[in-house]
Amino acid sequence: KNEVEQSPQNLTAQEGEFITINCSYSVGISALHWLQQHPGGGIVSLFMLSSGKKKHGRLIATINIQEKHSSLHITASHPRDSAVYICAVPQRSGGSNYKLTFGKGTLLTVNP
Amino acid sequence: KAGVTQTPRYLIKTRGQQVTLSCSPISGHRSVSWYQQTPGQGLQFLFEYFSETQRNKGNFPGRFSGRQFSNSRSEMNVSTLELGDSALYLCASSIGTGVNNEQFFGPGTRLTVL
Repeated sequence: KNEVEQSPQNLTAQEGEFITINCSYSVGISALHWLQQHPGGGIVSLFMLSSGKKKHGRLIATINIQEKHSSLHITASHPRDSAVYICAVPQRSGGSNYKLTFGKGTLLTVNP
Repeated sequence: KAGVTQTPRYLIKTRGQQVTLSCSPISGHRSVSWYQQTPGQGLQFLFEYFSETQRNKGNFPGRFSGRQFSNSRSEMNVSTLELGDSALYLCASSIGTGVNNEQFFGPGTRLTVL
């Protein structure tokens, strides 16, 4: 079982729709990352959050540490939001070291 | 401030060869992590270097190795290439290690093994 589960795997929306992508994890963490990857490969870090909610423009990320669940919301979606969205959690791997464990990603396509 | 750079961007090799990929972190960042991304496995952690020392290693065979130089630039090497090593290799830099450090990713090197 993957330690980081994302849903849905694929999402198609019409421009202007409200988008929600979910991430559940089984390991104990103190922070979670949301990443965006456009075709061609480049990855951009959208959010790093450890509690509550963060907002940047039309993007909102929430996390519930007790329930081990995070959501990424996109308001008023636009075709340029089309990308793969990946959540990642740092997993302790001995001592004070950690490594990022990634979800499989959600492919979002926003049609005009 | 310049972002993370990776060279080369594209590479084609044949089975059995070896390859070296380079990553230059953002100025002032001392931690560099390497990741492999394939369609089947997604993103997987390879290793992390901090102050020229490997701090952490993922579950990859010994054919995968790396190093970090005093200026924080890092290289990774894959020896005896296999078809399954075809992937996008990404590096990311951060100011330090630890769970509260944001990582900044480079554009990646796309390796094709024929």
